[in-house]
Amino acid sequence: GAVVSQHPSWVICKSGTSVKIECRSLDFQATTMFWYRQFPKQSLMLMATSNEGSKATYEQGVEKDKFLINHASLTLSTLTVTSAHPEDSSFYICSAAWRGETQYFGPGTRLLVL
Amino acid sequence: AQSVTQLDSQVPVFEEAPVELRCNYSSSVSVYLFWYVQYPNQGLQLLLKYLSGSTLVESINGFEAEFNKSQTSFHLRKPSVHISDTAEYFCAVSHSGGYQKVTFGTGTKLQVIP
Repeated sequence: GAVVSQHPSWVICKSGTSVKIECRSLDFQATTMFWYRQFPKQSLMLMATSNEGSKATYEQGVEKDKFLINHASLTLSTLTVTSAHPEDSSFYICSAAWRGETQYFGPGTRLLVL
Repeated sequence: AQSVTQLDSQVPVFEEAPVELRCNYSSSVSVYLFWYVQYPNQGLQLLLKYLSGSTLVESINGFEAEFNKSQTSFHLRKPSVHISDTAEYFCAVSHSGGYQKVTFGTGTKLQVIP
């Protein structure tokens, strides 16, 4: 149980384009979903927390207009990187939790902006 | 505020030898503690967690961790490691009493040497 999927697993895009990453909880309803960014050989950095049906809460220093998060249902959250630039290249990981203390992580999405 | 310290960035160990990955945390309130494992180019998988009750928690693949409140530690141990245990291990902490923001340590790369 507690499986979280992400799509796509890999994406390469041109600078200036937008990229959407999906995060789905497959066998449970996620009241809260989280988006993290991980740079090479570093820990996870929380970008934002989203609750179903409400606006996401962004961490300090994360541009909400650049990283658009939508949590439209209890099983789906999307992260859209708008007008992506090479410095946005990273490994993006989502996680989901249901009224509890344990987060279950997706497999991650590697974004490369050329 | 809460924080997690993983002092060892890399731990090399021979196959079938025991290993301990250290984790210390700082928090002014009661905590939940977690260990996650990350294999190359993958997301995080929950290895084990301490929420309450017995201070010794175990995973299905032979790892165990002990919550030591007086020393604010949650070290991860395995009596005999396998090549397949080679991965990055992250310790994490959150405040107890319902879902709270999770803070991750910087990770420890366990390298099992054949």
